Amino acid sequence: NAGVTQTPKFRVLKTGQSMTLLCAQDMNHEYMYWYRQDPGMGLRLIHYSVGEGTTAKGEVPDGYNVSRLKKQNFLLGLESAAPSQTSVYFCAAGSYGYTFGSGTRLTVV
Amino acid sequence: QKEVEQDPGPLSVPEGAIVSLNCTYSNSAFQYFMWYRQYSRKGPELLMYTYSSGNKEDGRFTAQVDKSSKYISLFIRDSQPSDSATYLCAMSPNTNAGKSTFGDGTTLTVKP
Repeated sequence: NAGVTQTPKFRVLKTGQSMTLLCAQDMNHEYMYWYRQDPGMGLRLIHYSVGEGTTAKGEVPDGYNVSRLKKQNFLLGLESAAPSQTSVYFCAAGSYGYTFGSGTRLTVV
Repeated sequence: QKEVEQDPGPLSVPEGAIVSLNCTYSNSAFQYFMWYRQYSRKGPELLMYTYSSGNKEDGRFTAQVDKSSKYISLFIRDSQPSDSATYLCAMSPNTNAGKSTFGDGTTLTVKP
């Protein structure tokens, strides 16, 4: 079982470019989450979903959009990347104890 | 003030030592308490998961929750170099989609 799979693992974007991060889970969880992790700031929740077709804002949603068209997939979009969005992005699935993906390292130059 | 406070360390111990990692919190609605381990350049991995107060043991790891003091601990016995990682505590209320609030993590190094 793969658990939670994130693609891509690494990406470099230029300011203003757009991209989509994909998260896929094979555990049939209703709840999925997108976090960013920055040095000294811990894990911060960007958006989350409590089921197929639903999304909600987390702590730091500005500059990001999400979609959950299928239960197993949760997509995070950056419409116009900014250097402040340079971070490591983690997807997670689960209700209380989460299973995390391996992360996407994004650099915006 | 953050809802969950965790000493960032770093913490360095010799192999075989008993390690104590701690978090305090302010939200009395928290009912679920988790500990995650995160190796460098990897995603967090769930180590322990406790509901309400009490102790839970899993091998060399023991999680304690004291809701009256709003204080949780993770003990690692006979620590090994492979335990070197960042440890994150996390907490959730019974509702709110189980949305967890994380501590910032304590970095542990176990020296051979």
